[in-house]
Amino acid sequence: GESVGLHLPTLSVQEGDNSIINCAYSNSASDYFIWYKQESGKGPQFIIDIRSNMDKRQGQRVTVLLNKTVKHLSLQIAATQPGDSAVYFCAESRMNSGYSTLTFGKGTMLLVSP
Amino acid sequence: DAGITQSPRYKITETGRQVTLMCHQTWSHSYMFWYRQDLGHGLRLIYYSAAADITDKGEVPDGYVVSRSKTENFPLTLESATRSQTSVYFCASKVAGRNEQFFGPGTRLTVL
Repeated sequence: GESVGLHLPTLSVQEGDNSIINCAYSNSASDYFIWYKQESGKGPQFIIDIRSNMDKRQGQRVTVLLNKTVKHLSLQIAATQPGDSAVYFCAESRMNSGYSTLTFGKGTMLLVSP
Repeated sequence: DAGITQSPRYKITETGRQVTLMCHQTWSHSYMFWYRQDLGHGLRLIYYSAAADITDKGEVPDGYVVSRSKTENFPLTLESATRSQTSVYFCASKVAGRNEQFFGPGTRLTVL
C-alpha cells in the first residue's frame, strides 16, 4: 500500500552542524506534508508544513524541501543545537471518507552532541 | 490556556477490562483524533471526528470505540483490553481547513 517512510532511523550530529532528515512518500495525490518533532515523553509538536504546489518553505532555522519528481521530502535544521535532539516525523495528508487525515512515517531520531 | 489534555497519563489494566481514555481541548477545534504509537510503527490513526456526533475509523480501529457528544471531549474506550493494545495513546485536535494538528501529552497504557 502507499505509505510514508524515512531513509535513516538515527542521525547523529555535532552541535552547530546542519542536519538533514529525509522522507520518501508514495502517494502522489497528497496535497500537503508536515514535519513534527517529538521529545521524549511528550506529544508531537508541529514544526513546518509545505503544500504540494511548493518546492521549498523556510521557517526559523528550518527549511523543508519537496521534490515531487522523486517523491522526496527533507527537513533541514541549521546550526543544530542540543535542544533539537528528538524524533522527527514526516506526515502526509490524505483524504479519508471526505475528510483530511494525516499518515505518519516511522520517525528519525536526531542526536546532537555538544 | 489549558490547550489539549489527556487523562490518565498512565494506566495499568488487565486483559478483558474496559478502559476509557479521556481527551479534552479548550480551543473549540472541530477536528479531533486518536493515535497509538508503537515502536516500529510510528503514529497510527485509530479514530477521528470532524465535529460533534461525527466520527470515522482510521487505520487501526478494531477493539476501540469513540464518541463525541461535545466538541471539547473525545473519549476513547477499549471495550475489552488486550495485550496488543499496550501502547502510548495520543489525542490531537485541529481547526477545520488548517493543516496543523495539536497533540496532547499522551497516555501510556499497559495491559497485563
